Amino acid sequence: ETGVTQTPRHLVMGMTNKKSLKCEQHLGHNAMYWYKQSAKKPLELMFVYNFKEQTENNSVPSRFSPECPNSSHLFLHLHTLQPEDSALYLCASSQGVADTSTDTQYFGPGTRLTVL
Amino acid sequence: QQQVKQSPQSLIVQKGGISIINCAYENTAFDYFPWYQQFPGKGPALLIAIRPDVSEKKEGRFTISFNKSAKQFSLHIMDSQPGDSATYFCAASMLGGSGGSNYKLTFGKGTLLTVNP
Repeated sequence: ETGVTQTPRHLVMGMTNKKSLKCEQHLGHNAMYWYKQSAKKPLELMFVYNFKEQTENNSVPSRFSPECPNSSHLFLHLHTLQPEDSALYLCASSQGVADTSTDTQYFGPGTRLTVL
Repeated sequence: QQQVKQSPQSLIVQKGGISIINCAYENTAFDYFPWYQQFPGKGPALLIAIRPDVSEKKEGRFTISFNKSAKQFSLHIMDSQPGDSATYFCAASMLGGSGGSNYKLTFGKGTLLTVNP
């Protein structure tokens, strides 16, 4: 596997379920990101991890819980979601160098989440 | 508050034509402006990017024009091809996170480009 991979690619869950999304990057990067992509809306940054430490939480509801056990893996734990949480969830990674703004983010293919 | 405004929402051009997508930003703290291309079923991929100290950047058929005083930038796709059909996002980057430890991207809403053969 190369680049950024995400599993599962599709997920359907009820509002009372607990599920997790997984992201893995094979690029040797130090920063990882979760984004939410909804139709007709800009990509919304949810969380940022830099060297396994969370450096950004963009006012995300607590029903979304991220976990970054190491620089290569990122999880998004989901519980008691709402139908409006249905969206494409994208993971990205970058070198994470804060001394240059040209810190290119590489995206995975996303997980299409449907909450019933 | 939408910090990066993108237009048009959708665009249809004929093969060989020029596709133009426009973006405007509000925050002068932004200092890097990438464009991403997204095909169905794929994540966005970096296409081309520009720093605000440059007025134009060209890579093959893709050109970014940047107007710092107007806080606007645009993507031009010359000789558009059916394979260019995708959603295009402009973005702007600025320092963020706790203690300014990472750069964060703010995206426009996207433009769905269709190039007819």
